[in-house]
Amino acid sequence: KAGVTQTPRYLIKTRGQQVTLSCSPISGHRSVSWYQQTPGQGLQFLFEYFSETQRNKGNFPGRFSGRQFSNSRSEMNVSTLELGDSALYLCASKGWGFTNTGELFFGEGSRLTVL
Amino acid sequence: QKEVEQNSGPLSVPEGAIASLNCTYSDRVSQSFFWYRQYSGKSPELIMSIYSNGDKEDGRFTAQLNKASQYVSLLIRDSQPSDSATYLCAVNMNGGSNYKLTFGKGTLLTVNP
Repeated sequence: KAGVTQTPRYLIKTRGQQVTLSCSPISGHRSVSWYQQTPGQGLQFLFEYFSETQRNKGNFPGRFSGRQFSNSRSEMNVSTLELGDSALYLCASKGWGFTNTGELFFGEGSRLTVL
Repeated sequence: QKEVEQNSGPLSVPEGAIASLNCTYSDRVSQSFFWYRQYSGKSPELIMSIYSNGDKEDGRFTAQLNKASQYVSLLIRDSQPSDSATYLCAVNMNGGSNYKLTFGKGTLLTVNP
């Protein structure tokens, strides 16, 4: 069974640009969450999507957005990049349908460097 | 602000010893609790989940949960150098249908041969 796939794995952008990251969840999983990981702040929740609907959102500015498609694939977008957006962006999928329990399975992440 | 707290370490133990990792959380309504292991340069990998008070054992790993004390721990018996990693405690502190894991900042474990 294939795991969570994230693309691209590495990317370098400059301040002011925008970036789109993609995530394909485990087959059959309908929930996709996004996290930002930095050495100082650790893993911080960005948002969660289920059946193309954003169910929950973390405390990030509106420059961070996401969406989910009918095949459960998800994208997140960061506009007007800032140096502080340099981080590892992790996507995670969850099975068990529309419940409040269950394990998250992470992809390998997209490492974004903003210059 | 709902929080998950862990000692950052590093925690250093000799090979074959028991490593004890601790985590406290702030929200009493929390329902599900997880331990993830993250090797340097890799993504987090789930190693244990626990939903009710008490102990849950899986091989060399034991998770312990005490909801009254808002405390969850992970014991690693017969520690091996391959266990050297950062261990992340994660708690689902949302009620209802929302799902959001809040992570601690992790404890770096080093197992010395």
